[in-house]
Amino acid sequence: AQKVTQAQTEISVVEKEDVTLDCVYETRDTTYYLFWYKQPPSGELVFLIRRNSFDEQNEISGRYSWNFQKSTSSFNFTITASQVVDSAVYFCALSEWDGNKLVFGAGTILRVKS
Amino acid sequence: DGGITQSPKYLFRKEGQNVTLSCEQNLNHDAMYWYRQDPGQGLRLIYYSQIVNDFQKGDIAEGYSVSREKKESFPLTVTSAQKNPTAFYLCASRPAGTANTGELFFGEGSRLTVL
Repeated sequence: AQKVTQAQTEISVVEKEDVTLDCVYETRDTTYYLFWYKQPPSGELVFLIRRNSFDEQNEISGRYSWNFQKSTSSFNFTITASQVVDSAVYFCALSEWDGNKLVFGAGTILRVKS
Repeated sequence: DGGITQSPKYLFRKEGQNVTLSCEQNLNHDAMYWYRQDPGQGLRLIYYSQIVNDFQKGDIAEGYSVSREKKESFPLTVTSAQKNPTAFYLCASRPAGTANTGELFFGEGSRLTVL
């Protein structure tokens, strides 16, 4: 069975600090996909990134970066120089190759204070 | 603009009443999903549909029903059998052929409160 754990329920930082959101997953498949979504106060989940299990290359997109390590089954998300607009709930999710659904973690509430 | 529209945004219901949440998409996506979000529990899958006139139960389908008569519409009915219906409900869709590789597109959600 697949499972996603986001151990950090809530994180508070001051603007311009760097922050890392942790994600640990469990799956029996060798082929799977990992996702990060952002949920701002408006409620709509916004897709941030997708990574397949064969691509362990880290990715950077502006202030966002992702560290995928199969050895530790982790897919962590770092925001550099955080801003107030980064305040949101962030979800990590997993999709297996032969499944048709996304399994989400419980989410991490990020509060960035000015 | 293309997207997913959920209505109503807020809904109050008395115990024992059924209520239907609307989800419409103009993205021409084949697959549609309903998720329930509770504080500290993330999103849990209620039902999903990969094609018109077909749908499957998710992890927490009890007390819910759906229909998929049109490609663009996937309404969710929360029945009186649902023991704890107060929650935030999110509808999502994704294109055909993307299955596990494609990201989901979400609506803004409907917040249901049972009085």
